[in-house]
Amino acid sequence: GAVVSQHPSWVICKSGTSVKIECRSLDFQATTMFWYRQFPKQSLMLMATSNEGSKATYEQGVEKDKFLINHASLTLSTLTVTSAHPEDSSFYICSARDLGDYEQYFGPGTRLTVT
Amino acid sequence: QKEVEQDPGPLSVPEGAIVSLNCTYSNSAFQYFMWYRQYSRKGPELLMYTYSSGNKEDGRFTAQVDKSSKYISLFIRDSQPSDSATYLCAMSVGNNRLAFGKGNQVVVIP
Repeated sequence: GAVVSQHPSWVICKSGTSVKIECRSLDFQATTMFWYRQFPKQSLMLMATSNEGSKATYEQGVEKDKFLINHASLTLSTLTVTSAHPEDSSFYICSARDLGDYEQYFGPGTRLTVT
Repeated sequence: QKEVEQDPGPLSVPEGAIVSLNCTYSNSAFQYFMWYRQYSRKGPELLMYTYSSGNKEDGRFTAQVDKSSKYISLFIRDSQPSDSATYLCAMSVGNNRLAFGKGNQVVVIP
């Protein structure tokens, strides 16, 4: 089956620093990738949608200058949280979808803790 | 009103019982309905996918969609301790973004 990996699985950083999270599709070409954020006991909230080679489309209320998304290849997307603050601490999950496919395949998530 | 409503209350059942979960939605344009299972600190995995009103069965799982009432359900028969997880409903218009419910934490007690 389709496998999506994320790295790192867990990261702790200091307030004011930047953190990069990678999302890779291992056995298929991800023409579209999605980034979600999930707070404890809350649902997944879509942050942005990115198509390979294009700028990401951000959901309302998500700061594009704070959450930088790059989808430079068909197998890799990165999310960079810039100038992280404690309120950015959350579980970040990516998903990937191939062209023409309805199903999104989710990565295992990255837990970010900002101290 | 949120697009997708799912009462997030935890649910504990004895092993072998039927688990019943449901979601309501407000957007009549939703065409595709999904149920995901999420284990603690993991990403969601797709369990069931439907696009029409009615029932769909897959092993011990049954997904039910009632578009007239804007209501979907998931039933798990003969529940097992390994079914203990959070179950999220999700739906979409066409091949666009998914709208998720808050999820139900299910605990199956041996």
